[in-house]
Amino acid sequence: DVQLLESGGLLVQPGGSLRLSCAASGFMFTSYAINWVRQAPGKGLEWISLINDKGDASFYADSVRGRFTMSRDNSLNTVHLHLNSLRAEDTALYYCQTAGAWGRGTMVTVS
Amino acid sequence: ILLTQSPDTLSLSPGERATLSCRASQKVDNNFVAWHQQRPGQPPRLLVAGASRRATGIPDRFRGSGSGTDFLLTISGVEPEDSAVYYCFQYGSAPPHTFGPGTRLEI
Repeated sequence: DVQLLESGGLLVQPGGSLRLSCAASGFMFTSYAINWVRQAPGKGLEWISLINDKGDASFYADSVRGRFTMSRDNSLNTVHLHLNSLRAEDTALYYCQTAGAWGRGTMVTVS
Repeated sequence: ILLTQSPDTLSLSPGERATLSCRASQKVDNNFVAWHQQRPGQPPRLLVAGASRRATGIPDRFRGSGSGTDFLLTISGVEPEDSAVYYCFQYGSAPPHTFGPGTRLEI
């Protein structure tokens, strides 16, 4: 079974930084692009970023471009989301998504 | 590409048919539209990809259809466990990809 496990969510002050991680197993990790999707409390889903299978191209939503960066380590089946210049509106549950599966999310609170 | 979903909320009795609509502001390349279900307090779950391909383990009463800019998710014979928010998602063009605002289904 595909398994995705996010970690790294914390309470952080505005302007702060954080690194989220997603550990993957159960599928050919190097064959899949990976998405990060977030959900603010009581709100809908927001796609925020994608990294391709090789890790040499990444894409971002306008709301996070220039502040967030994705990376991946194909030797460890892990992706990271680096969050900088955090704002109150970045408060959300952050999900890793790929290969038809979702993780359970990790909560980021900016306050 | 912007996605709009209708209706906002749909209230049905068990056994009825649910028809959820997703409309894109422009043509979605390759009809790369997915549908995700999110039950209360749970992470989302993929139901359909590529407009009509059911994900592994999804009952055949869930059916995706459509092309171009108009897509549907039909649930034949809804059950209480189908109470959830349903999101369409387009991934057809170069990113950014987008989710629709969701349709809440109440059984």
